[in-house]
Amino acid sequence: SAVISQKPSRDICQRGTSLTIQCQVDSQVTMMFWYRQQPGQSLTLIATANQGSEATYESGFVIDKFPISRPNLTFSTLTVSNMSPEDSSIYLCSVEWGGGATDTQYFGPGTRLTVL
Amino acid sequence: AQSVTQPDIHITVSEGASLELRCNYSYGATPYLFWYVQSPGQGLQLLLKYFSGDTLVQGIKGFEAEFKRSQSSFNLRKPSVHWSDAAEYFCAVGAGGSQGNLIFGKGTKLSVKP
Repeated sequence: SAVISQKPSRDICQRGTSLTIQCQVDSQVTMMFWYRQQPGQSLTLIATANQGSEATYESGFVIDKFPISRPNLTFSTLTVSNMSPEDSSIYLCSVEWGGGATDTQYFGPGTRLTVL
Repeated sequence: AQSVTQPDIHITVSEGASLELRCNYSYGATPYLFWYVQSPGQGLQLLLKYFSGDTLVQGIKGFEAEFKRSQSSFNLRKPSVHWSDAAEYFCAVGAGGSQGNLIFGKGTKLSVKP
C-alpha cells in the first residue's frame, strides 16, 4: 500500500485566516482525494485531484473556499480559506492504489483543524 | 442515492468476546464495500474490502466480513476482541467505477471492557 503523510498534523487558527494542508505520497498516484470529517461525523468527500487537471468538487464545496493544487503525482495541497469555526474538522487526504478495477483508497493520518 | 447505514453508534464488548458490527448499504449496482478503522488521533486504516467473488472476506487483525446481497449488508465480525481493537469503525461503499467517490457510514465506536 501507499504511505501517505500530511502536514501539519494539527493546527489552531483564527477566523478569517487560511491554512494550507500538504499531502505527500511515497509513490506516484493518479488520483488523490480530500475528505472532511466534522466532529462526531463521518467522512465527506470535498474534491478529487488528478494531476494535470483542475480538481473536481463535490456538491457543497467550492474552489474559492477549498482551493487545491496537484503539481505532481506524489503531492497535493488543500487550502481552507477565510476560515470560520464551522471549518473545525479533521481533513484527510487519500490516494487510490492497486491498479485496475480493484483500486483501494488509502488514507493519510489527517490534519486536525480548530478555528477559534 | 447511494447510502450506508451503521445502525449502532456505540458498542461495548468485553475483551475476549465476539464482535459483530452492522452495515447496510443502498446501491443500484454491485457495490464495492470496505471497512476502515480509525484509532484515536489516527487516520483511517483499511481492514478489508469486497469487490467480487467469495462473499466472506478476511482482513487484517483477525477481522472478517460477509457480503449478503439479499440483505444489502456487509457486517464486520471478529471472534475474540482485544483491548487494542477499541476504535471507531467505518463502513464504506464505492459509488462509481473509480473507488474515489466513497460513501461512508457514520461510524460505530467500539469500547472494550477489560
